[in-house]
Amino acid sequence: NAGVTQTPKFQVLKTGQSMTLQCAQDMNHNSMYWYRQDPGMGLRLIYYSASEGTTDKGEVPNGYNVSRLNKREFSLRLESAAPSQTSVYFCASSVLQGATNEKLFFGSGTQLSVL
Amino acid sequence: LAKTTQPISMDSYEGQEVNITCSHNNIATNDYITWYQQFPSQGPRFIIQGYKTKVTNEVASLFIPADRKSSTLSLPRVSLSDTAVYYCLVGDNYGQNFVFGPGTRLSVLP
Repeated sequence: NAGVTQTPKFQVLKTGQSMTLQCAQDMNHNSMYWYRQDPGMGLRLIYYSASEGTTDKGEVPNGYNVSRLNKREFSLRLESAAPSQTSVYFCASSVLQGATNEKLFFGSGTQLSVL
Repeated sequence: LAKTTQPISMDSYEGQEVNITCSHNNIATNDYITWYQQFPSQGPRFIIQGYKTKVTNEVASLFIPADRKSSTLSLPRVSLSDTAVYYCLVGDNYGQNFVFGPGTRLSVLP
């Protein structure tokens, strides 16, 4: 049981390049999330998907797009990377967004550097 | 969503009990209190959740007073491996409203 798997673990991009961060969960969870974490700070929500076929913006969606490919997979795309997007990106999943006793399960993160 | 306040950092020594208090004065009736632990270079990990009184599991205890305006995470006999950032979250509408603050950075010293 792998839980939440993110690929790649590390990535270096040049300004203007594009890339897609992949996330998959094997816990049959309905909801999935993308967060970013800058050094010494808490996590900020980029996008989330409450259920298959739906996506919604979080706190910091600008510069990102997402795709909920199926129940297992939720990808994050940077169309034109900028140095301000240098961060660690975490994918998470939960049984059902909005439940009163929700618990998040996180992947191990992708460390992204944009030069 | 109820805002939470917790200390930015704490130091402790191995073998001591550590208590981290989180204030959430505006907690709503339906809100649960959830704590996460994050080690360097890893994603946060759920450690405990409660609604009222006391909850205990193999990792920690969570104490919640009757007014529920604060909560205390208790880590018994900490070891060096408990060095991590601990986040307190309160709310019943996760997803867009699931806000992680800076957390409490616990350093356990030998």
